[in-house]
Amino acid sequence: SQKIEQNSEALNIQEGKTATLTCNYTNYSPAYLQWYRQDPGRGPVFLLLIRENEKEKRKERLKVTFDTTLKQSLFHITASQPADSATYLCALSTGGFKTIFGAGTRLFVKA
Amino acid sequence: GAVVSQHPSRVICKSGTSVKIECRSLDFQATTMFWYRQFPKKSLMLMATSNEGSKATYEQGVEKDKFLINHASLTLSTLTVTSAHPEDSSFYICSASTSGTRGGETQYFGPGTRLLVL
Repeated sequence: SQKIEQNSEALNIQEGKTATLTCNYTNYSPAYLQWYRQDPGRGPVFLLLIRENEKEKRKERLKVTFDTTLKQSLFHITASQPADSATYLCALSTGGFKTIFGAGTRLFVKA
Repeated sequence: GAVVSQHPSRVICKSGTSVKIECRSLDFQATTMFWYRQFPKKSLMLMATSNEGSKATYEQGVEKDKFLINHASLTLSTLTVTSAHPEDSSFYICSASTSGTRGGETQYFGPGTRLLVL
């Protein structure tokens, strides 16, 4: 069956370090993959989109990689700050604009 | 840009009553709107997809007579939870996209509505 896996355990890192979050999927051939940020009690906020023919995408301190062979995406936040603390959701779309979301990984950045 | 609002942000109602939640795209025309439900520490669960002027497409297991969706214009969609029961208590989130266009894959989410049915 189709599955999206994000590390359910919270990630705790020190301010200034690079946070790396993982999204693995099985039985999908996504046309593109997106990362969203969600704060408690709020709706998700779009961060980055990467297409199947792209290996890497960057935006300011954020970097996303997409390996369709490994069926994995990595999401990096460099020079992390306490304000980066949130839940980060991975989302896959196979086309037709229907998107499936992972359960998210909670990130805590300590000052 | 790409702001989506939801109203109300929080609602408490008695069992058996109906609740309407509005979702508006404030600065763009949304050809497609999505309604999600989210339980604590769980993934977003897609309930239905609606395109302006046509009937919503419901996901398997979602009762369309229970969760009425109206997408009357390119900037407004409503979700009505009819005859609400305590098990309907949840966080409901809408999103909007300009599907069919380049960049339309991205969904812009509203802030969510917390529903508590007593």
